[in-house]
Order: sequence, then C-alpha cells, then structure tokens
Amino acid sequence: GAGVSQSPSNKVTEKGKDVELRCDPISGHTALYWYRQSLGQGLEFLIYFQGNSAPDKSGLPSDRFSAERTGGSVSTLTIQRTQQEDSAVYLCASSRGQGRTDTQYFGPGTRLTVL
Amino acid sequence: GDSVTQMEGPVTLSEEAFLTINCTYTATGYPSLFWYVQYPGEGLQLLLKATKADDKGSNKGFEATYRKETTSFHLEKGSVQVSDSAVYFCALYSGGGADGLTFGKGTHLIIQP
Repeated sequence: GAGVSQSPSNKVTEKGKDVELRCDPISGHTALYWYRQSLGQGLEFLIYFQGNSAPDKSGLPSDRFSAERTGGSVSTLTIQRTQQEDSAVYLCASSRGQGRTDTQYFGPGTRLTVL
Repeated sequence: GDSVTQMEGPVTLSEEAFLTINCTYTATGYPSLFWYVQYPGEGLQLLLKATKADDKGSNKGFEATYRKETTSFHLEKGSVQVSDSAVYFCALYSGGGADGLTFGKGTHLIIQP
C-alpha cells in the first residue's frame, strides 16, 4: 500500500520568507509525527498529533514553527520568517496510535534550504 | 529525560565481516526499542524492533536483543555485504506520544568489497 508522502521534496527559500511543508500519512494511521534531521542536531522530535486532538507543541524549536492537522489526516508544518538555522530535512511519520509498541513509518522528507 | 547513545563512526568493515553496533539507552518508563536504517539518498526505514525485555528483533540477517539489565540493544550481523552500507539509528519510544521517538546520533557503516 501507499506509504507516508511528503511535499515538496525540496524547498529553497530566502531568509525571512514563510514556508509550508505537507505530510500525507498512511491511510488508517491516527498518529502523526514531525521530526527534523540536521547535521548538528541529529534527529529531533518536533510535534505529535493523535487524531484530531490538540498537539503537544513543547518540542517545536521556536514560536515561528506551527503545525496543524485537518480532518485527522493531512498535516502541514509552517515555518514563519525562516532563518538559516532552519535548514534541515523535515521528516513526517505516522503510526496506528496504539501506544508503546507502535511502529512509526517515515516519509521521504522535505529538504529545506534557507539562503 | 530519555536518551540513546550509539557509536557514531564511520565504521568501515570488509565484506563478510561480523558487525556489532553498540546502543545503550536511558528511559524513565519501559520503552520499545528500534533500529532504523537510512540508505544513501533514501528515507528512514524500520530495520527491526523489540518491545519487551529479552525479546530479539531480526530482519535481513540483522539481530538485536532487548537487554533491560544492561539497558542495551546492540545491533549484530554475522556477515555484512556492500549493500548494507548505510546510516543506522537506534531509537526508543516510551509511548504516550508526547515525546515521539528518541534517536541516537546514527552510525555510518561503510562496507568495502
């Protein structure tokens, strides 16, 4: 079946611009996660959605980052006023939402470059 | 908080050599443990997992055993191939969802023919 999809695959933007990154989870998966992968920081957890519940935003690196999930499916990660340190690969994952034994399946990522 | 420690490498081995990548963890709860692999130019893929003490996860000739007493989940393979060249990430998940997966820094494995 179809895996997690993300778009765009690559995004180059200028410092100060806003960007939107999209994630489409595996059908039937209720849990959705965003991570950031960068050379300096490795893989960092950003935010988690379970169905339509309000997310825990404590992992977001600054208030320029926000995320939403519409209809319990597609999610959008928005970065406002991008900075060069935001350059990274942004990964989305989804799972069945069954707790501790869950497996998260990852999308191919969006490579963001801020000039 | 939770943390994962693994050797970063790069680790360079010859084809058919025995592989061990060490992984140890610290967790406040009772986590599930995972190894993910990232092949060049590709996304993260689940390699194997174990959800309770003494469980052994296995896939593609790789194995790892959940050792609660030593808080470890070392990855092993008896005979590596060039196609195993990749970055390997050890990770844990304590559930509840709020904190997501906690990853190690990743180990870059290079297999030479």
